[in-house]
Amino acid sequence: GAVVSQHPSWVICKSGTSVKIECRSLDFQATTMFWYRQFPKQSLMLMATSNEGSKATYEQGVEKDKFLINHASLTLSTLTVTSAHPEDSSFYICSGGVEFYGYTFGSGTRLTVV
Amino acid sequence: GENVGLHLPTLSVQEGDNSIINCAYSNSASDYFIWYKQESGKGPQFIIDIRSNMDKRQGQRVTVLLNKTVKHLSLQIAATQPGDSAVYFCAENTGTASKLTFGTGTRLQVTL
Repeated sequence: GAVVSQHPSWVICKSGTSVKIECRSLDFQATTMFWYRQFPKQSLMLMATSNEGSKATYEQGVEKDKFLINHASLTLSTLTVTSAHPEDSSFYICSGGVEFYGYTFGSGTRLTVV
Repeated sequence: GENVGLHLPTLSVQEGDNSIINCAYSNSASDYFIWYKQESGKGPQFIIDIRSNMDKRQGQRVTVLLNKTVKHLSLQIAATQPGDSAVYFCAENTGTASKLTFGTGTRLQVTL
């Protein structure tokens, strides 16, 4: 089955710094990937759609300059949280946008900003 | 926007019993539904899916029922096991760029 690998699994950073999260599709080509954010005891909220070779599409209310998305190849999408603040602390999850595979999800990244 | 919602935030069942997790959706244009299981600190794990042209689909120990008339989706888990303890989410695809909208989630607690 489709496998999505996400790294790192957790990261702690200082306020004001930037953090990059990687999402790789290991056994399929993903022209589209999705980035979600999940706060404790809440559901997944879609942040943006990552499109290979073109600009990402952001959901309403998500700051594109703060959450930079790059999808330079068919197997790699990255999310960079720029100038992170404590309120950005959350669980970030990516998903491979291949309908046949039921939208496989990565293992998630726990970001803690101190 | 429209949301997918769940009625019960927590469901406790005894080991061996059957579990039923419900989900109400509001977007009549949704044509594809998925149930996910999420364990603490992990990403969602695909359980089973169903398309809008079906009303029932079975997997191993799991069954998904879709009632389009009342916009209701359910997940049935047979002979619930301790390893089934997790949060379960329903998700719908409205067909717009393959985006998924997630429900609020139900925590399933399996007691011995």
